[in-house]
Amino acid sequence: KQEVTQIPAALSVPEGENLVLNCSFTDSAIYNLQWFRQDPGKGLTSLLLIQSSQREQTSGRLNASLDKSSGRSTLYIAASQPGDSATYLCAVAGTYKYIFGTGTRLKVLA
Amino acid sequence: DAGVIQSPRHEVTEMGQEVTLRCKPISGHDYLFWYRQTMMRGLELLIYFNNNVPIDDSGMPEDRFSAKMPNASFSTLKIQPSEPRDSAVYFCASSFVEGLDRTGELFFGEGSRLTVL
Repeated sequence: KQEVTQIPAALSVPEGENLVLNCSFTDSAIYNLQWFRQDPGKGLTSLLLIQSSQREQTSGRLNASLDKSSGRSTLYIAASQPGDSATYLCAVAGTYKYIFGTGTRLKVLA
Repeated sequence: DAGVIQSPRHEVTEMGQEVTLRCKPISGHDYLFWYRQTMMRGLELLIYFNNNVPIDDSGMPEDRFSAKMPNASFSTLKIQPSEPRDSAVYFCASSFVEGLDRTGELFFGEGSRLTVL
């Protein structure tokens, strides 16, 4: 059974810092991995999708990497801003369905 | 596209009442998922459909929960009778699978926040 873990559970950083969020999974037989952002009281917004054949994806200040063999993914946020404050979730896709991690709650201080 | 649309956004009901949550997936998407989110358990997959057919309902917690997808543009999640422990945010998501990709990018609705008193 696939298990997805995200560390740390919460993170508070000053504005401008570069930071890394971690996601680990137990079964490396995945099809893709997706990172989401969730603001309080809102739905999940897709940030980046990495196909199993890819090593990384970039969108603006965000860069996500995937190492299937070690069961790890990282989300790198460059030059963090207060508007980046949210919960970040990773989801690992097996056949047809996604399993979610518990998320990292990020607060960027002005 | 308008995205995944869910209704109601908020529902407050009393224990024992029937609750029906609704979802309209993104047009052209062939997979629809129902998730439940709580502080204690995070995001749990309840059930998913492919081309309107339920594929895996192993996450449905009890027989009190049922889900239907009568056509490609509409799905319901029903709880009857509801209990206080059903209080959660229920999300609907949809995706499109292309070619050999077994899972497409997932798009979520805004969720339905259910409170059972």
